[in-house]
Amino acid sequence: GDSVTQMEGPVTLSEEAFLTINCTYTATGYPSLFWYVQYPGEGLQLLLKATKADDKGSNKGFEATYRKETTSFHLEKGSVQVSDSAVYFCALSDSNYQLIWGAGTKLIIKP
Amino acid sequence: NAGVMQNPRHLVRRRGQEARLRCSPMKGHSHVYWYRQLPEEGLKFMVYLQKENIIDESGMPKERFSAEFPKEGPSILRIQQVVRGDSAAYFCASSRQGNDEQYFGPGTRLTVT
Repeated sequence: GDSVTQMEGPVTLSEEAFLTINCTYTATGYPSLFWYVQYPGEGLQLLLKATKADDKGSNKGFEATYRKETTSFHLEKGSVQVSDSAVYFCALSDSNYQLIWGAGTKLIIKP
Repeated sequence: NAGVMQNPRHLVRRRGQEARLRCSPMKGHSHVYWYRQLPEEGLKFMVYLQKENIIDESGMPKERFSAEFPKEGPSILRIQQVVRGDSAAYFCASSRQGNDEQYFGPGTRLTVT
């Protein structure tokens, strides 16, 4: 079945460092891909998404490109801030509603 | 504009008791989804409901678990005769239509002692 694998955390960086969180997927069809973020004590929020190969999703300085050839959707940000500390989830959907999730990566940014 | 509300945020039950988790969708949303997150794992789809209708319950355990979304009031996820393996975070999401972006609540952390 379909699945999502993302890098284990926690990932600890200093403020203004470059961020990459790896995400790869397996799917039989052509899924849509998502990154969600969960700040402490809050629900999950959609951060960005891409619906077809070579699409780039972007939001709040974060970017991810849908790479069909490598089945990847890595999350990147050029300069992280302390406020980016959260848990990041990669997910895919090959139906209208059912999301399949990675295990989440905790990101810790130190001032 | 309130988001998706879940209560309680934390719930402790002894083995054999019942757990009732509530989810109030965002205003104007009539589609509700429940997900479970076991420790150290990603979220797993459980059930998709519309008002008074279960659309897809393929992720629900066959026994002890049930869900409803009545015409009035919140969606309820009910777990009967809880066991330690039911300890998890349960997330609810809602959307306006079935293929729209899902908005998530903060989750209910269930601990079975």
